[in-house]
Amino acid sequence: EVQLVESGGGLVKPGGSLRLSCAASGFTFNDAWMKWVRQAPGKGLEWIGRIKSKANGGTTDHAAPVQGRFTISRDDSKNTLFLQMNSLKVEDTAVYYCAYYRDSSAYHVDHWGQGTLVTVSS
Amino acid sequence: QAVVTQEPSLTVSPGGTVTLTCGSSTGAVTSTHYPYWFQQKPGQAPRTLIYDTSNRHSWTPARFSGSLLGGKAALALSGAQPEDEAEYYCLLSYTGVGVFGGGTKLTVL
Repeated sequence: EVQLVESGGGLVKPGGSLRLSCAASGFTFNDAWMKWVRQAPGKGLEWIGRIKSKANGGTTDHAAPVQGRFTISRDDSKNTLFLQMNSLKVEDTAVYYCAYYRDSSAYHVDHWGQGTLVTVSS
Repeated sequence: QAVVTQEPSLTVSPGGTVTLTCGSSTGAVTSTHYPYWFQQKPGQAPRTLIYDTSNRHSWTPARFSGSLLGGKAALALSGAQPEDEAEYYCLLSYTGVGVFGGGTKLTVL
């Protein structure tokens, strides 16, 4: 069974940093393309970024609002996806989801974590 | 960053047909935007219905279909069911960077 479990959320002051983790199991993680999506309370979905499998270059793409502040990375030896968030702003307050959406052969899947809440407030 | 637009809300009668659209501020939506459609119900994570314009997942009911229509991505629902009441989001890719639309709240009434 595919499982994605996010952790690392919590309360942080503006300007602070947090590192979210997404522990994956039940699939071949090193073959997976992964993404982060967030949702502010009562608002819509926002795409944060994605990371390809190393077989496809392991490259990342980040959305403009977080470019230069957030960094997506992965540790395939630990089946874990990360989101490093720096210079946090009040508007970064949201539930953060990790998702596994395709593999290196372009086979599409759809698995999401339960989300972790990040609150940025003084 | 591009802006992706969706109808804020739509209503469909049970058994009826409705089309949700997804436009781009940069011009016509094409297959190279790899349009995705997601369904989200309150308190739940999103679920992908359609990927790459028109491909359904195994769990996507056949009453949902994706296409390109008039320069936009479109999600058609034929034979709406009460359980289809939800928020629907489209996602477009701009050379690898994704942008969600603001979502369409679909009411089945």
